[in-house]
Amino acid sequence: QQPVQSPQAVILREGEDAVINCSSSKALYSVHWYRQKHGEAPVFLMILLKGGEQKGHDKISASFNEKKQQSSLYLTASQLSYSGTYFCGTAKSGNTPLVFGKGTRLSVIA
Amino acid sequence: GAVVSQHPSRVICKSGTSVKIECRSLDFQATTMFWYRQFPKQSLMLMATSNEGSKATYEQGVEKDKFLINHASLTLSTLTVTSAHPEDSSFYICSARDPGEGSPTGELFFGEGSRLTVL
Repeated sequence: QQPVQSPQAVILREGEDAVINCSSSKALYSVHWYRQKHGEAPVFLMILLKGGEQKGHDKISASFNEKKQQSSLYLTASQLSYSGTYFCGTAKSGNTPLVFGKGTRLSVIA
Repeated sequence: GAVVSQHPSRVICKSGTSVKIECRSLDFQATTMFWYRQFPKQSLMLMATSNEGSKATYEQGVEKDKFLINHASLTLSTLTVTSAHPEDSSFYICSARDPGEGSPTGELFFGEGSRLTVL
């Protein structure tokens, strides 16, 4: 079942923060976050496993609330390069395919 | 990380012809590969799971006779769009996990994608 992402789109000025949410009605093994630029393949950002965890690198971090089957991606002090569509992908186990949400279009303007 | 490569990156064909897209795992062996399709401004939709040495598993609504998948070796899976029509125009992306140390947590590696345009 497709995870639900929110918001659908967001516009930020450079330096502002954003949160993108991803929720599922099914028990999850992992949540994966990707960013896709127009006309390109998705680029892996990070993966969070069940058990609840937080991860981050640079100014992008994420959390996974296993009880609620929800994950959030945090973008702080956004840069122009953060623009793109962010997808969360969920997996029921370590070797099943990912099911992707509809995506969140992020636009960072100067 | 592990590398997955697709070819061709772009292809234009006439309606009624067949097109083959190749997906290779360059530095690992993939017994399973996943094929996704993405229409403009939409999400990635899983089409099928390609299994080395056996038949592919297709998602509901995906015509297996139209989208032929062959996974003849541990490093190569091919998707053939047969008798292509304009509505088949899309971005096709393959992906795989490295069963070794490349993706211990289940990270999925994507190819560069293949943009198909059917005239």
